[in-house]
Amino acid sequence: QKEVEQDPGPLSVPEGAIVSLNCTYSNSAFQYFMWYRQYSRKGPELLMYTYSSGNKEDGRFTAQVDKSSKYISLFIRDSQPSDSATYLCAMSIISGSARQLTFGSGTQLTVLP
Amino acid sequence: EAGVTQSPTHLIKTRGQQATLRCSPISGHTSVYWYQQALGLGLQFLLWYDEGEERNRGNFPPRFSGRQFPNYSSELNVNALELEDSALYLCASSFTRVHQPQHFGDGTRLSIL
Repeated sequence: QKEVEQDPGPLSVPEGAIVSLNCTYSNSAFQYFMWYRQYSRKGPELLMYTYSSGNKEDGRFTAQVDKSSKYISLFIRDSQPSDSATYLCAMSIISGSARQLTFGSGTQLTVLP
Repeated sequence: EAGVTQSPTHLIKTRGQQATLRCSPISGHTSVYWYQQALGLGLQFLLWYDEGEERNRGNFPPRFSGRQFPNYSSELNVNALELEDSALYLCASSFTRVHQPQHFGDGTRLSIL
């Protein structure tokens, strides 16, 4: 079983739709949670970063963390064609010697005009 | 502010050869991380360098190695290249303080013929 499981998609939605992207994890030591967006032939771009349970909002993006259920989500409101990309969840533990990120496999999103 | 820069963009090698990939972190960042993004395997952690020292490595053979220079730039060396080393190699950087998010470059695509 992978430490981080992510709905693989692909996901296709009409412009203006609300998009929900989800990841579950098995390692309760994970304390920091991130969402990255990766366009084709580009590196991952940090979208959201949080370390507490609850919601964090930034513009059209909301990150939700439920540590008791080991479940994180990213919501995109009023989705745009420019949001078409692969979305990666990532997480890490709190440790001086272990800073590496563990990634989900990514969800490919297409927003249709 | 300049982001993480990686060179070369593409690298083509044959089996058994050696490859050297380079990374310049964001100004002020002292930690550099290397990840491999292979088709079907997702993003996997390779190495973490901080203040010139290797701090942690992922589950990769010793022929994957690297170093960090006094200006915090970094090299990833892959010896005795195998076909399965074909992948996008991503470099990320962050501040050293716990915990700071990692920012990625656009990667070097390594193709093994």
